[in-house]
Amino acid sequence: DAGITQSPRHKVTETGTPVTLRCHQTENHRYMYWYRQDPGHGLRLIHYSYGVKDTDKGEVSDGYSVSRSKTEDFLLTLESATSSQTSVYFCAISDHVDTDTQYFGPGTRLTVL
Amino acid sequence: GENVEQHPSTLSVQEGDSAVIKCTYSDSASNYFPWYKQELGKGPQLIIDIRSNVGEKKDQRIAVTLNKTAKHFSLHITETQPEDSAVYFCAASKVTGGGNKLTFGTGTQLKVEL
Repeated sequence: DAGITQSPRHKVTETGTPVTLRCHQTENHRYMYWYRQDPGHGLRLIHYSYGVKDTDKGEVSDGYSVSRSKTEDFLLTLESATSSQTSVYFCAISDHVDTDTQYFGPGTRLTVL
Repeated sequence: GENVEQHPSTLSVQEGDSAVIKCTYSDSASNYFPWYKQELGKGPQLIIDIRSNVGEKKDQRIAVTLNKTAKHFSLHITETQPEDSAVYFCAASKVTGGGNKLTFGTGTQLKVEL
């Protein structure tokens, strides 16, 4: 398994509070991605990063921000959580050197009450 | 943007039978088509992928076919086993120097019955 960890693995929070999810990799891959998974929608891309301090929006970026100050860490922040952001969040990494494969982390289950 | 449709949403087969899952995509510029398997409580794991310059790829009991003209691709699992039971996702993307933004289908719950 690719060296990807996500923290926390589970979180319950209240509407209006800020939340930060962390993705940490030990593979030194250049690219990192945040997806959310909801029933009936599969996985949808929120934001991605193509290098330190280089990020761009995905399909469902509204209400989310990201930061990447080090190669190994990619943070996803919900500035003011809403119930519609209740979901399972997955981080993925890839290097796009030898392969275009994205390797996924174990996920974070977030519940916004 | 890209749109990927996946069918069926659920599939039940007997052990030893074959299973086929089909996906269509909308963007003719897409050139990378991976398939992921997701077990309960875990992240998706790549099982096979195919590039647009290849029509078919096989890895043991798993094969993927791609029809660029019709813009559809399929996953074939032969001699199914109980451990094949999981949710399977197809995806499509246009790989560029700026990364690989995957668009996923909605998933197929495969159940292999004894």
